[in-house]
Amino acid sequence: DGGITQSPKYLFRKEGQNVTLSCEQNLNHDAMYWYRQDPGQGLRLIYYSQIVNDFQKGDIAEGYSVSREKKESFPLTVTSAQKNPTAFYLCASKGQGHEAFFGQGTRLTVV
Amino acid sequence: KQEVTQIPAALSVPEGENLVLNCSFTDSAIYNLQWFRQDPGKGLTSLLLIQSSQREQTSGRLNASLDKSSGRSTLYIAASQPGDSATYLCAVRTGAAGNKLTFGGGTRVLVKP
Repeated sequence: DGGITQSPKYLFRKEGQNVTLSCEQNLNHDAMYWYRQDPGQGLRLIYYSQIVNDFQKGDIAEGYSVSREKKESFPLTVTSAQKNPTAFYLCASKGQGHEAFFGQGTRLTVV
Repeated sequence: KQEVTQIPAALSVPEGENLVLNCSFTDSAIYNLQWFRQDPGKGLTSLLLIQSSQREQTSGRLNASLDKSSGRSTLYIAASQPGDSATYLCAVRTGAAGNKLTFGGGTRVLVKP
């Protein structure tokens, strides 16, 4: 089935540790996005990529990094510089007609 | 700066009643508006996409309208069922190459059997 796959579903991070969230899509979409969702708040854009080897900061990029070496993959690294990383992270891609498609999310918890 | 508001934040209705969910946005220069459903702990499922040139979209029991000039969209769900219980989010797409998707805070819906 075509879609967006995020892994893992749950992730635990120790203080001072970097962790990487995976996002893979087989929809052949050029543009991919990472959002953060906190309880009671709307989704906020972290980073996006319009094409391979190119990415742009979103509204809350501090403490995060990304890469886009392949069209299918857009991993997000949550670095130790991110002071409040506990959240639900959602990956998305943009298809024809600017329609957004989302993965099932990764819940990151700091322990 | 685009702002998207959804009112009410929560809604509880008996099974069979029609649902009306509201979404308003401040800047009418949008590519499109998209309605999503989110179940607890899950990702977003796209329900309906309305392009800026369209007035409404329909899919089964769902109907969404768009009035760009007044900055409003309404999602109607006919004959609600307990399985419709979820959070409903609207989002508007703007910006260069349509890369900005601004979300409302969502309406949490409970359909009581």
